[in-house]
Amino acid sequence: DQQVKQNSPSLSVQEGRISILNCDYTNSMFDYFLWYKKYPAEGPTFLISISSIKDKNEDGRFTVFLNKSAKHLSLHIVPSQPGDSAVYFCAASWDTGNQFYFGTGTSLTVIP
Amino acid sequence: DSGVTQTPKHLITATGQRVTLRCSPRSGDLSVYWYQQSLDQGLQFLIQYYNGEERAKGNILERFSAQQFPDLHSELNLSSLELGDSALYFCASSRQGASPIFGPGTRLTVL
Repeated sequence: DQQVKQNSPSLSVQEGRISILNCDYTNSMFDYFLWYKKYPAEGPTFLISISSIKDKNEDGRFTVFLNKSAKHLSLHIVPSQPGDSAVYFCAASWDTGNQFYFGTGTSLTVIP
Repeated sequence: DSGVTQTPKHLITATGQRVTLRCSPRSGDLSVYWYQQSLDQGLQFLIQYYNGEERAKGNILERFSAQQFPDLHSELNLSSLELGDSALYFCASSRQGASPIFGPGTRLTVL
């Protein structure tokens, strides 16, 4: 039972444009959400997080939006750079101390 | 370098064998998580330990077991290995209230 879903396995974007990666979840108890970035042959690297008391969190070129009523979150990367090409995973938990459920990932390719 | 170390980096073994994967968490982190990533799959949560105690269990097979030792390092034991167990196994650690930090992973190949 996949509680966190990333329905787009891949996404291609031109350099300089916006990348939007989407994530849906089914468990309404989730209140803490993370995005990770993963390069081949490396472990996932933490990117940005958001708690359910917010609907937006921004860190440089990366912004995460949370729509609790729709059980949907998205990661915006503006402007996209070739170095952003990686697999992006979203993850959710009902407490920062509990296990995190991960989506299946979206492979982003930024075309120079 | 995330501060989380995993050994070995690569492991090749045969079906029916048993292997042990090791993880040393980042200094100060009490929680250790184990995840499995199979080909084209997401990260499947296996198990979590907190300060030596099992805290949460995910889709971990009965052939797999784990433990966290007093020095907080953790081991994941995989036995009666099958071809389908070939995957990347990631360990992550965290401190209370913080996001998990992942190690570089162990690539297991079962022939």
